[in-house]
Amino acid sequence: KQEVTQIPAALSVPEGENLVLNCSFTDSAIYNLQWFRQDPGKGLTSLLLIQSSQREQTSGRLNASLDKSSGRSTLYIAASQPGDSATYLCAVSPPTGGYQKVTFGTGTKLQVIP
Amino acid sequence: EAGVAQSPRYKIIEKRQSVAFWCNPISGHATLYWYQQILGQGPKLLIQFQNNGVVDDSQLPKDRFSAERLKGVDSTLKIQPAKLEDSAVYLCASSLAGWADLYGYTFGSGTRLTVV
Repeated sequence: KQEVTQIPAALSVPEGENLVLNCSFTDSAIYNLQWFRQDPGKGLTSLLLIQSSQREQTSGRLNASLDKSSGRSTLYIAASQPGDSATYLCAVSPPTGGYQKVTFGTGTKLQVIP
Repeated sequence: EAGVAQSPRYKIIEKRQSVAFWCNPISGHATLYWYQQILGQGPKLLIQFQNNGVVDDSQLPKDRFSAERLKGVDSTLKIQPAKLEDSAVYLCASSLAGWADLYGYTFGSGTRLTVV
């Protein structure tokens, strides 16, 4: 059974800092991995999707990397801003075929202090 | 393109009452998911539909929860009777693929349910 862990559960940083969020998964047989952002009381917004054959994806100040063999992904946020404050979740999808589930981590709650 | 629509946004009910949530996925998305997210936790899959057939409902408390997807488009999730521990955000998501693929995975804004 796939398990996804995100450490730390919460993180507080001053504005302008670069930071890294971690995501670990126990089964390396994944199809793809996605990072989401969730604002309080809202749904999840897709940030970056990495296919299992890829090593990283970039969008603006965000960079996500994937090391499938070690079961790890990181989300790097450059020059953090107060507007980045939210909960960040990662999710992994199973290999194609069969009827397995997407598995979500419990998230890292980020607070960027002005 | 329009996103995943959910209603209502908020609902407060007393325990033992019933409640229903509605979801309209992105047009053309074959797969629809209902998740339960308890405060401080990641989303937990309740049920997954492919078109109008159920693919996975292994974590749906079937003694009180039911869901349907009419004509492979809209879906409703019902709780009857509600318990205090059902207080959570109920998220609907849809995706283009016919299996659990994160490509194009889109969430609605969710319904926050409070059971008192």
